[in-house]
Amino acid sequence: AQSVSQHNHHVILSEAASLELGCNYSYGGTVNLFWYVQYPGQHLQLLLKYFSGDPLVKGIKGFEAEFIKSKFSFNLRKPSVQWSDTAEYFCAVNPYGNNRLAFGKGNQVVVIP
Amino acid sequence: DAGITQSPRYKITETGRQVTLMCHQTWSHSYMFWYRQDLGHGLRLIYYSAAADITDKGEVPDGYVVSRSKTENFPLTLESATRSQTSVYFCASSDQGTGQETQYFGPGTRLLVL
Repeated sequence: AQSVSQHNHHVILSEAASLELGCNYSYGGTVNLFWYVQYPGQHLQLLLKYFSGDPLVKGIKGFEAEFIKSKFSFNLRKPSVQWSDTAEYFCAVNPYGNNRLAFGKGNQVVVIP
Repeated sequence: DAGITQSPRYKITETGRQVTLMCHQTWSHSYMFWYRQDLGHGLRLIYYSAAADITDKGEVPDGYVVSRSKTENFPLTLESATRSQTSVYFCASSDQGTGQETQYFGPGTRLLVL
């Protein structure tokens, strides 16, 4: 069964600091990759996704993610976080042609003003 | 634009009781999903549906039943609730099944089983 690993479940950082969240998956075939975000009290929503092309993907609110096929990774980055980025971030994976998502355990990110 | 709604938003029940969580979407999306979110586990897929009258098991289906008689509704029933089913339940939908689509999530139902 495929699995998705997210490290450093709790992250606390100050405004303007850089953020990087790691995501690794264990699936050998072609995959589609997603990052979802859940702001406090809100629905999960899509941050960005990758399925082909340029491995550096840009999403909403200044986030980007890089797909490194050889490392089975899809790490999320933001150069300078804001207090409003406080949220839980989930990496999700599904194999091509199958829209059943497998989620990681999430990263709880707290940005201190 | 109502989107995807879930009811109830909060529910307290007792062990052994039957509970039904409702999910309704207004987009006519073909695919609908039920996930549960637990600390330390992230979101796990319970059941999904590719269309009306087509459902299939996800990662953690035991103790749950689903039906989909209409495209817009996808109720989840706990036939005999257990304490281990205390969780936050999210419904989601997407319009195709290629795997590249965004899934749109509802606000969640917080269920407490005593």
